Amino acid sequence: GAGVSQSPSNKVTEKGKDVELRCDPISGHTALYWYRQSLGQGLEFLIYFQGNSAPDKSGLPSDRFSAERTGGSVSTLTIQRTQQEDSAVYLCASSLGDDQPQHFGDGTRLSIL
Amino acid sequence: SQKIEQNSEALNIQEGKTATLTCNYTNYSPAYLQWYRQDPGRGPVFLLLIRENEKEKRKERLKVTFDTTLKQSLFHITASQPADSATYLCALDNDKIIFGKGTRLHILP
Repeated sequence: GAGVSQSPSNKVTEKGKDVELRCDPISGHTALYWYRQSLGQGLEFLIYFQGNSAPDKSGLPSDRFSAERTGGSVSTLTIQRTQQEDSAVYLCASSLGDDQPQHFGDGTRLSIL
Repeated sequence: SQKIEQNSEALNIQEGKTATLTCNYTNYSPAYLQWYRQDPGRGPVFLLLIRENEKEKRKERLKVTFDTTLKQSLFHITASQPADSATYLCALDNDKIIFGKGTRLHILP
């Protein structure tokens, strides 16, 4: 597809379970970002991948959160032992580089019961 | 402390008028600033990027200004239409991109 694709679009799970969220960026985009957006809030930066460089993980809220990007393309955000405060929309974006516009997916709406 | 602030109140504008949204920042020195539009249930969509050496940028009915002295960007939509109703986010670069919380804009028919 032409845009950033995220799956699943919605995820409901029980507290304590692990979840994996997937992001397929635009082909050729070297930069990939994950954000979290809670209701009525701005975008909270989580993690940034750029090419083969070490990812910037400075936004990850706890060690329960991790992300990887395989082959410079698809990325997976994993949340272990989910808590109710993890409920939010998780957005992925990709871009051609640091100072280029970001192209966003429509997010995964995560609900922790 | 570092802040990026947008009008927290929703902005109601009559159709056909110019809508002006404000983005103020504190303790940042961004090389560029971006504006995005976000509709409910969707991801943000890029609109315009303006660099620190540019005073103004235009795209169709959109205009962005960037005043590095005032530490402010203004986003204008001229001849506004109900379809322009959305939340508008400003974002600035500070090693990584920092987003404001956005301003909800309602264009009233």
